[in-house]
Amino acid sequence: NAGVTQTPKFQVLKTGQSMTLQCAQDMNHEYMSWYRQDPGMGLRLIHYSVGAGITDQGEVPNGYNVSRSTTEDFPLRLLSAAPSQTSVYFCASRPNQGAYGYTFGSGTRLTVV
Amino acid sequence: GQQLNQSPQSMFIQEGEDVSMNCTSSSIFNTWLWYKQDPGEGPVLLIALYKAGELTSNGRLTAQFGITRKDSFLNISASIPSDVGIYFCAGSTPTGKLIFGQGTTLQVKP
Repeated sequence: NAGVTQTPKFQVLKTGQSMTLQCAQDMNHEYMSWYRQDPGMGLRLIHYSVGAGITDQGEVPNGYNVSRSTTEDFPLRLLSAAPSQTSVYFCASRPNQGAYGYTFGSGTRLTVV
Repeated sequence: GQQLNQSPQSMFIQEGEDVSMNCTSSSIFNTWLWYKQDPGEGPVLLIALYKAGELTSNGRLTAQFGITRKDSFLNISASIPSDVGIYFCAGSTPTGKLIFGQGTTLQVKP
């Protein structure tokens, strides 16, 4: 199993550009989440999903959109990138029953100039 | 919103020393988790706690779920250089949200 796969690993955007961060998991996990990590701020929840077709906002959703059309994929869209969105982004997943620990991807480092 | 306050923010200790860090919240969580993050990697689960008062060990790591369900601590005994990293507490809500503390950066001097 590949676990949680995030692409790309690194990305540089210009202010105003749009892009999609990809996240895929092959563990048939129902729950998936997106976090951003900034120095001294820990990991802050952007959006999460408890199953295909269901998404909800986290702590810092502004500027980001998500959709969950399949169990495997949970892409994160930046419609108009801003320098404040420079961060490391992590995707994570877990099953809806049993162990509650999320499995994390290795992250996408995004710089907006 | 829900917030977790994790302390200390950083620690610099000698190899062989014990380490303790804790996390408090204004909200109740039904599950507490402790993660470790190595540079350039995603967080990795160390210990999960599911019941108030629960004390769980994983090798040299021991964690407890506070009775009030608003706090948790993590102890590391006899630290070694590979314990270096950032440790995060996290609380899970019944709706599936996982909220993280700010992290404790641990450095171990050989």
